[in-house]
Amino acid sequence: GAGVSQSPSNKVTEKGKDVELRCDPISGHTALYWYRQSLGQGLEFLIYFQGNSAPDKSGLPSDRFSAERTGGSVSTLTIQRTQQEDSAVYLCASSLNSGVEQYFGPGTRLTVT
Amino acid sequence: AQTVTQSQPEMSVQEAETVTLSCTYDTSESDYYLFWYKQPPSRQMILVIRQEAYKQQNATENRFSVNFQKAAKSFSLKISDSQLGDAAMYFCAYRSPNFGNEKLTFGTGTRLTIIP
Repeated sequence: GAGVSQSPSNKVTEKGKDVELRCDPISGHTALYWYRQSLGQGLEFLIYFQGNSAPDKSGLPSDRFSAERTGGSVSTLTIQRTQQEDSAVYLCASSLNSGVEQYFGPGTRLTVT
Repeated sequence: AQTVTQSQPEMSVQEAETVTLSCTYDTSESDYYLFWYKQPPSRQMILVIRQEAYKQQNATENRFSVNFQKAAKSFSLKISDSQLGDAAMYFCAYRSPNFGNEKLTFGTGTRLTIIP
């Protein structure tokens, strides 16, 4: 079956612009996670969804970052007023009803110039 | 908070030989999950192997096996008969068993090079 998909694959944006990153989880997976992978910070958790609600937003680095999930499926991570330090690979993962194993998408590489 | 440490930024191994990647972690929880993920240049994280802390038996998946030492909080990955396709970044990760706290905490990774 289809895996986790993310779009766009790469995004270049100017400092100060807003960006939206999309994640399509595996069909039927109720849990969805966003992570960020950067040279300086390694792999870090951002936010977790169970269905459409986000019980854990503890990893969002600032109020410029937000995420939503609709219909228990697609999720969008929005970064407002992007900064150069936001440059990173943003990874999405999903799992079955808080199942143990998380399945990752290919990521979106965000470059802020 | 849990922490995961990978002390080997880079490792290399001859093709067909065996290599061991190290991982230690810190937690106050008695039950948890540990994982090794592989990230090739394509960026996609691929689950290699998982271990439940309550299981004493070390997990194995074909050429991949772990040495789980709960008291020492150590979780190393052994790759036998290394193949060119094993070249990648390898990340050790920790997950709490508690509902609502399913996030993965990752180590900083080990870049594995396979020498033909």
